[in-house]
Amino acid sequence: SQTIHQWPATLVQPVGSPLSLECTVEGTSNPNLYWYRQAAGRGLQLLFYSVGIGQISSEVPQNLSASRPQDRQFILSSKKLLLSDSGFYLCAWSVGYPTDTQYFGPGTRLTVL
Amino acid sequence: SQQGEEDPQALSIQEGENATMNCSYKTSINNLQWYRQNSGRGLVHLILIRSNEREKHSGRLRVTLDTSKKSSSLLITASRAADTASYFCATDAKSSGDKLTFGTGTRLAVRP
Repeated sequence: SQTIHQWPATLVQPVGSPLSLECTVEGTSNPNLYWYRQAAGRGLQLLFYSVGIGQISSEVPQNLSASRPQDRQFILSSKKLLLSDSGFYLCAWSVGYPTDTQYFGPGTRLTVL
Repeated sequence: SQQGEEDPQALSIQEGENATMNCSYKTSINNLQWYRQNSGRGLVHLILIRSNEREKHSGRLRVTLDTSKKSSSLLITASRAADTASYFCATDAKSSGDKLTFGTGTRLAVRP
């Protein structure tokens, strides 16, 4: 069966510090991968998605970046965090067409102070 | 931009009652999905309904889609305290390319 992992589960970082969130998927090959951010009590905002290794599409211009160094690994990064980067970050995967069913990881709660 | 908007924003019912949540969207879609999110957790897929379908069932869940009104509803019958969660609709709009657009969600509280 397929599983998706995210770490860390929670993170508290000072403004201006770097960020690296990792997501890995097991049990499937060549998945579509997604990074979303969810502000408190709000819906999901798509940040990045990838349909293959090295292929990254950015949805929102900001100080975040994403990379896909391996087929089932998706990394969200920042060189300098802003207060507005605080939120709940969710990784998801899907197979086939990108808008079919998506399967979400447990999320990372990021607080920037 | 926000494609799906859920209504109501919050709903509180007694265990055993039915819960109905609605989702309205703006542009033509290929499919519409409903997801559930327990507090502080990831989203879990519930149902996908395609634009040429009008109704789908899964256990205690019933989803309807009215493309002429650009709306969908999620009905949870005989609710349980464990159904307490936020429920989101997500649309695959023809104009949005290869991505889902999520609504802001309905927070459902089921009182035991």
